[in-house]
Amino acid sequence: GQNIDQPTEMTATEGAIVQINCTYQTSGFNGLFWYQQHAGEAPTFLSYNVLDGLEEKGRFSSFLSRSKGYSYLLLKELQMKDSASYLCAVRPGEYGNKLVFGAGTILRVKS
Amino acid sequence: EAGVAQSPRYKIIEKRQSVAFWCNPISGHATLYWYQQILGQGPKLLIQFQNNGVVDDSQLPKDRFSAERLKGVDSTLKIQPAKLEDSAVYLCASSLVMGQYNEQFFGPGTRLTVL
Repeated sequence: GQNIDQPTEMTATEGAIVQINCTYQTSGFNGLFWYQQHAGEAPTFLSYNVLDGLEEKGRFSSFLSRSKGYSYLLLKELQMKDSASYLCAVRPGEYGNKLVFGAGTILRVKS
Repeated sequence: EAGVAQSPRYKIIEKRQSVAFWCNPISGHATLYWYQQILGQGPKLLIQFQNNGVVDDSQLPKDRFSAERLKGVDSTLKIQPAKLEDSAVYLCASSLVMGQYNEQFFGPGTRLTVL
């Protein structure tokens, strides 16, 4: 089976740093993706990890530990526009490019 | 570069009626996906096409859902007859090819409400 867990909701203050965790148990592993989804809109790609370690991309960083089945998304210098749902998705490594998504973490940024 | 197009954006039907959604992927993208996203959940893959062939339809409720991708470009997803639990956003996504790193680009989705 495939299981991806994320916190349901988080609240943080504008200008602060927030870390959104994701743990996974999947039949295989061939990459982990983070997507951002604003209410009523399509998911948009944020980051991709396939090897252990930290990937940095501007205000966003993503970390992966394959041995622990664990990833986090780090958002720095939070802005109001970062209020959105953040989806963790794993590619189990089966044939094809299938992604298995977590339920998402709703992040609320307050001033 | 134009993104993934979907229509309609919203649809309200009564249970047992039929409905169809249309998707036009990014030009040149060989792989096309249909996802179902129920409120409060992450997207769930229904079907994946590589060109006009089906790669994965293991989670497609085949007794009521069908999808096709004639000519390997546009795709339609049909539900007949619809049930209340089909109320969801139906997202279409596309990617260049299947492979190790392959970002999926999502369309705006069709929000279906079944009454």
